[in-house]
Amino acid sequence: QVQLVESGGGLVKPGGSLRLSCATSGFTFSDYYMSWLRQAPGKGLEWLSYIDSTGSAISHADSVKGRFTISRDNANNSLYLQMNGLRAEDTAVYYCARRLRGYYFDYWGQGSLVTVSA
Amino acid sequence: QSALTQPASVSASPGQSITISCTGTSSDIGGYTFVSWYQHHPGKAPKLLLYDVSRRPSGVSDRFSGSQSGNTASLGISGLQAEDEADYYCCSYTRSSATLVVFGGGTKLTVL
Repeated sequence: QVQLVESGGGLVKPGGSLRLSCATSGFTFSDYYMSWLRQAPGKGLEWLSYIDSTGSAISHADSVKGRFTISRDNANNSLYLQMNGLRAEDTAVYYCARRLRGYYFDYWGQGSLVTVSA
Repeated sequence: QSALTQPASVSASPGQSITISCTGTSSDIGGYTFVSWYQHHPGKAPKLLLYDVSRRPSGVSDRFSGSQSGNTASLGISGLQAEDEADYYCCSYTRSSATLVVFGGGTKLTVL
């Protein structure tokens, strides 16, 4: 069955960097667009970025543009999110998700907690 | 503050029906039919319940239904079951260049 498993979260100081990974299985990874989303404590979900099936097209929300970079490795069925210049407001559970089509996400991971604090 | 407005909580007894509203603007819900709904049991992976306003992915119960009128979308759940207790989020495509989609703040459903 389709599985997405995030890893790489943890505690980081403001201004620091972290790289999240999402290992996938159960589907042909290279056929799908993928996205990262997050949920800050007590807040709703927020879309962060997407990458097309080949990695040639990416897009980021304005809230993370210039600081976060999405990438993928189709040979290893993995998705990544490089996060630089982290701020306290980036504290959240980060999810990777498969894009069904258009603007929908049909499979999600269970999330990885990132805490930005001094 | 989330772009789409949902009630913070709703509660009902097993077997009853409920509706969760999601209000946006003409730049998102009111301008398109790209509305989706997600069910989230805390600590687990969110689950896609509905897309294109009212279409259900394979495997989703027909107890879940969706509709849209103007700037408001709605999720209906009939025949409430204990396992329906979860957080529910609406989502819509947006004309804004700042993001691809916008979400509601979530509604906590309690099955009494």
